Amino acid sequence: GAGVSQTPSNKVTEKGKYVELRCDPISGHTALYWYRQSLGQGPEFLIYFQGTGAADDSGLPNDRFFAVRPEGSVSTLKIQRTERGDSAVYLCASSPSIVHEQYFGPGTRLTVT
Amino acid sequence: DQQVKQNSPSLSVQEGRISILNCDYTNSMFDYFLWYKKYPAEGPTFLISISSIKDKNEDGRFTVFLNKSAKHLSLHIVPSQPGDSAVYFCAAKETSGSRLTFGEGTQLTVNP
Repeated sequence: GAGVSQTPSNKVTEKGKYVELRCDPISGHTALYWYRQSLGQGPEFLIYFQGTGAADDSGLPNDRFFAVRPEGSVSTLKIQRTERGDSAVYLCASSPSIVHEQYFGPGTRLTVT
Repeated sequence: DQQVKQNSPSLSVQEGRISILNCDYTNSMFDYFLWYKKYPAEGPTFLISISSIKDKNEDGRFTVFLNKSAKHLSLHIVPSQPGDSAVYFCAAKETSGSRLTFGEGTQLTVNP
């Protein structure tokens, strides 16, 4: 079946602009996660959804970052007033439940100029 | 603080030989451990996992060993193949939690 998909694959934006990154999880997966991976580092947790609600958003670095999952499927990560330090690969993952392994999408490479 | 550490940024082995990738952790609450493989421009792909109630889990050419007293785990790949060349990430999770905590990754190169 189809895996996790993320759009766009690449996004270049100017400092101060607003961006939205989209994630389509595997069908039927109730848990959805966002991670951020900087060059030479492992992925870092941002936020976790169980269904429509954000069950854990403690990884969001500041209030410029926000994520939604209004119908319990597709999720959007929103970044306001982007900064150059936000440049990274943003990864989305889904799983049938929190006790299972997480399946990752290909990521969105965000570059803030 | 880095709760999961992979101290070797890179490892090079000959095709057919064993690859051993190591990972250390500091958080005693971690009780589920996973290895992911990542190719360039792709997301991490789940490889193998182990629960803290076990000390070994095997799946084909891949075996993960867990030493809880040393807070150390390792991934053995035997025999290694050129297609195994990728970045390998160790990750850990608490029973009560959902997030994965990743190490920095080890670039494995298997030479033909």
